[in-house]
Amino acid sequence: NAGVTQTPKFRVLKTGQSMTLLCAQDMNHEYMYWYRQDPGMGLRLIHYSVGEGTTAKGEVPDGYNVSRLKKQNFLLGLESAAPSQTSVYFCASRTGGQMNTEAFFGQGTRLTVV
Amino acid sequence: AQSVSQHNHHVILSEAASLELGCNYSYGGTVNLFWYVQYPGQHLQLLLKYFSGDPLVKGIKGFEAEFIKSKFSFNLRKPSVQWSDTAEYFCAVKDYGGSQGNLIFGKGTKLSVKP
Repeated sequence: NAGVTQTPKFRVLKTGQSMTLLCAQDMNHEYMYWYRQDPGMGLRLIHYSVGEGTTAKGEVPDGYNVSRLKKQNFLLGLESAAPSQTSVYFCASRTGGQMNTEAFFGQGTRLTVV
Repeated sequence: AQSVSQHNHHVILSEAASLELGCNYSYGGTVNLFWYVQYPGQHLQLLLKYFSGDPLVKGIKGFEAEFIKSKFSFNLRKPSVQWSDTAEYFCAVKDYGGSQGNLIFGKGTKLSVKP
């Protein structure tokens, strides 16, 4: 049971380049989340999804897009990367329906935009 | 909107010292509370959680936390820390607002344990 898997683990982009981060979970979870982690800021929610085909904005959505075409996958896209998007990105998932369930996190993707 | 405050940015302790990390949240209603730990270079792992019932919650690796509703607090404790507890600790509250159970995180507390 792999849990939540993120690819890639590391990436360096030039300003203006685009890329997609993939999050895959094998726990049949309905809810999936993308966070970014910056020093001294904790984790901030970028976008989330409550089911296949649905997405919604979180706290810091600007500059990012997401898609949830399949239940097990949640993609985070950067159309035109900026240095301010240098961060560590974490995906998480949890079961839906009830509120009192814990979230499981992926290993993270360290992105540097130069 | 809910918020979470962690009082200490960086705590440095010697092995065998006792630990208490502060966490306060803003929401006045029913809350779900969590402590996550992030070891260097790794992802977040759940230490413990509180949903209801006994306000003293025991987690993994000897950690515990006490939910004090009147103080809006959920402090993390460990009687005797080890070098392997060196990590960053995040308190989180589940958001019952619009984001379908999103976790609101504190800014984290780095714990350094000296051998």
